[in-house]
Amino acid sequence: GAVVSQHPSRVICKSGTSVKIECRSLDFQATTMFWYRQFPKKSLMLMATSNEGSKATYEQGVEKDKFLINHASLTLSTLTVTSAHPEDSSFYICSARDDRDWTSGGPETQYFGPGTRLLVL
Amino acid sequence: GESVGLHLPTLSVQEGDNSIINCAYSNSASDYFIWYKQESGKGPQFIIDIRSNMDKRQGQRVTVLLNKTVKHLSLQIAATQPGDSAVYFCAEKNVGANNLFFGTGTRLTVIP
Repeated sequence: GAVVSQHPSRVICKSGTSVKIECRSLDFQATTMFWYRQFPKKSLMLMATSNEGSKATYEQGVEKDKFLINHASLTLSTLTVTSAHPEDSSFYICSARDDRDWTSGGPETQYFGPGTRLLVL
Repeated sequence: GESVGLHLPTLSVQEGDNSIINCAYSNSASDYFIWYKQESGKGPQFIIDIRSNMDKRQGQRVTVLLNKTVKHLSLQIAATQPGDSAVYFCAEKNVGANNLFFGTGTRLTVIP
């Protein structure tokens, strides 16, 4: 259980184009999902918290108009990198917390997707 | 602000030996801690967690120790195997918050 998928796993795009990354919780519902960015040999940096039915909460320094987040359902959140530039090249990872853990006071574990490697040329 | 750091960026151990990965945190308000394992090109994988009202928790071959007095967290892996080679991150959560703060990571290399 607690499987999170991401699509695509890898994407190469030209500078100036937009790229959409999907994050799905496959066997549980997730009102809250998280988007992270990771540079090579570095730790995970939280970009934003995605909330189903409301606006995402962005971390300081993350441009909300650059990184559009849409939490369309209890199992799907999307991150769109708009007008991508080479400096946006990175490993993007999403995570989700099982709604059942929220309501039961269970573990506050986040389950991570496999990541999406974005290369902007 | 919070900081979660690791004492050792790299650790090499012989197969079969025990491994200890350490983590320091600075926010005494953190109430929940998690260890994740990340293999190259993959997302982090949950290993074990511990709440601040505990000081030790055991899983299969892994043990997490929490010392709130010195704000120190450790992950012990028993009988380390080649498949344990990865980068290990500790993460903390503050009381009332939803998000996690990640440490810098330790690369564990198991020598066959």
